[in-house]
Order: sequence, then structure tokens, then C-alpha cells
Amino acid sequence: TQLLEQSPQFLSIQEGENLTVYCNSSSVFSSLQWYRQEPGEGPVLLVTVVTGGEVKKLKRLTFQFGDARKDSSLHITAAQPGDTGLYLCAGVWAGNMLTFGGGTRLMVKP
Amino acid sequence: KAGVTQTPRYLIKTRGQQVTLSCSPISGHRSVSWYQQTPGQGLQFLFEYFSETQRNKGNFPGRFSGRQFSNSRSEMNVSTLELGDSALYLCASSNDGGRAADTQYFGPGTRLTVL
Repeated sequence: TQLLEQSPQFLSIQEGENLTVYCNSSSVFSSLQWYRQEPGEGPVLLVTVVTGGEVKKLKRLTFQFGDARKDSSLHITAAQPGDTGLYLCAGVWAGNMLTFGGGTRLMVKP
Repeated sequence: KAGVTQTPRYLIKTRGQQVTLSCSPISGHRSVSWYQQTPGQGLQFLFEYFSETQRNKGNFPGRFSGRQFSNSRSEMNVSTLELGDSALYLCASSNDGGRAADTQYFGPGTRLTVL
């Protein structure tokens, strides 16, 4: 069984602060994806990282894939209330099968 | 293009009943996957259908089944409902070319409550 451990589970911060969410695996995935989910909606893909050591930026969000492709991080700079939501990492293997981490529920207070 | 649609959005059933959920993928997408989301277990993969064939299956009991039609629409069925089946059931579609990193587009889900 391939598991993804995500931390922290909950995060409540003030607008303007920085934060990092971690996703660690006991196995190597072919690629790893990050999603954001808002209440009443399905997850929406933010990014896919494929290569070990890869860094991708999406405005104020920075995603990194570990060299060994077993861990990843999501860093948000100067968080805004609009960043509030559930952040999920997902390991991709065997076609379209996704193994999700437990999620990080982020609340950014104005 | 219209997104992934799921019907119904909300459903209340009692233990022992069965339920069928429907998913219409994005036009042109041939792969449809189903996931169960609960507060305790998070998001878990149920199964994936591609061209009317089940291609992958997660670790769920046989009470959970699905099928895909020639127009790529998919249904999942849960028989003999248990209280623990209460969850948000999500459907995702992709324009699958067999590549592992294809983007999956999720629907809004069906919220099933079992009483």
C-alpha cells in the first residue's frame, strides 16, 4: 500500500503570512499532484510535478518535488483569504489511480 | 466545454438499501474515475473505467460496483448500504492517453447520507 502523509492537518494564519505544507511518501511515485478543494466542490488541480528536484511556481505558490520523488512541499507566500481551502497532494501511479494525502485545511484570516 | 456533472447532488438512504450515482464526463473524455471522500479516511480511489472497461480498482468491497456506457457516462452502484458508506462520492474524468500525469477534472460530487 502506498501512503501519503500530509502535514499539518490544520493551519490557521493571518493574511500576509507565509506557510509550507508537506507531503511525504513511503514509496516513489511517477509524479505528484497538488489540488485545492473548496466546500461543495470537487478538487481542482493546481500543479503536477514529475522530475525529482523539480520546482514549479504558480503566482504566490511554489511547489517542490523531492530529489528521490518521495516527498513534496507547497509553499504559499503572503497568504490571502482567497487561499483558504483544503489542499491535497496526490501520488500518481498505474494510469489514473491517485493516492491522496489526508489534506491540509488552511484558513487565512483577514 | 461543460465540466463534469454528477447527479444527484444529495441523497439520503437507509441501511440495507442500494443506490446508483451518475457521472457525465467532459465531452471527449474517455476515462472516468470514482473516489470516496470521508472525514476519517480522506479521498480514496474506488475504480476507473476506460472505454466501457474497468481498468483499475481500489480496495473496496464488492458492494461497490460501476459501469461505463458507450458515451463515456458512468454509474456507480452501492448495494446493501451501511452507515459507513455516508460520504461525498466524486467522479473525475480525463482525456486519457494512457499517460500517468493526465489532468483529471473532478465533478462537484454526490453527498450520500445513510441513516
